[in-house]
Amino acid sequence: DGGITQSPKYLFRKEGQNVTLSCEQNLNHDAMYWYRQDPGQGLRLIYYSQIVNDFQKGDIAEGYSVSREKKESFPLTVTSAQKNPTAFYLCASTGRYNEQFFGPGTRLTVL
Amino acid sequence: GENVEQHPSTLSVQEGDSAVIKCTYSDSASNYFPWYKQELGKRPQLIIDIRSNVGEKKDQRIAVTLNKTAKHFSLHITETQPEDSAVYFCAASSRAAGNKLTFGGGTRVLVKP
Repeated sequence: DGGITQSPKYLFRKEGQNVTLSCEQNLNHDAMYWYRQDPGQGLRLIYYSQIVNDFQKGDIAEGYSVSREKKESFPLTVTSAQKNPTAFYLCASTGRYNEQFFGPGTRLTVL
Repeated sequence: GENVEQHPSTLSVQEGDSAVIKCTYSDSASNYFPWYKQELGKRPQLIIDIRSNVGEKKDQRIAVTLNKTAKHFSLHITETQPEDSAVYFCAASSRAAGNKLTFGGGTRVLVKP
């Protein structure tokens, strides 16, 4: 999991503002994922991508968008349509044997 | 789609005792079952996993068992220590579902010294 980086560590968003969270991996993994975790709760899948230039919606995709132009990168944009975005956002990638490793996370707060 | 139920939601044990967390899954095609440990404010860390062709796997003080017929799997922690205190998540995935993980709701484990 040391090969997955997320930035920034903390992010503050104003009402009506779009923000983009970065996720990069140097593990040569094909599949990448974005999860949202609310305080004291479990992990909910936002979007995932199994290959470059392709991605699928997860369970809570509304108000979010992603792109996968490079194998190493899977940025997540939290749009103004996401009314309650305050949460801990975790990026993950999966290797050949389906072992999923997580990045350190970005904590997003709405001001 | 897959549904994973995890019990209990909280577990308090005395240091040195064993802890057991149980998960059930719904999709009989699921074939990969990892367990994650998440400390406060940190990322989930993969601690052990098991695949459908194996019934039990051990790694030092932790072990996982799988019963495919009953569609449940369990995490066993022996000789618990205060540093085992964390939230533990089980998960399941299958090739048919694109190998994406479905997580249980988590178990908060507190080891009392």
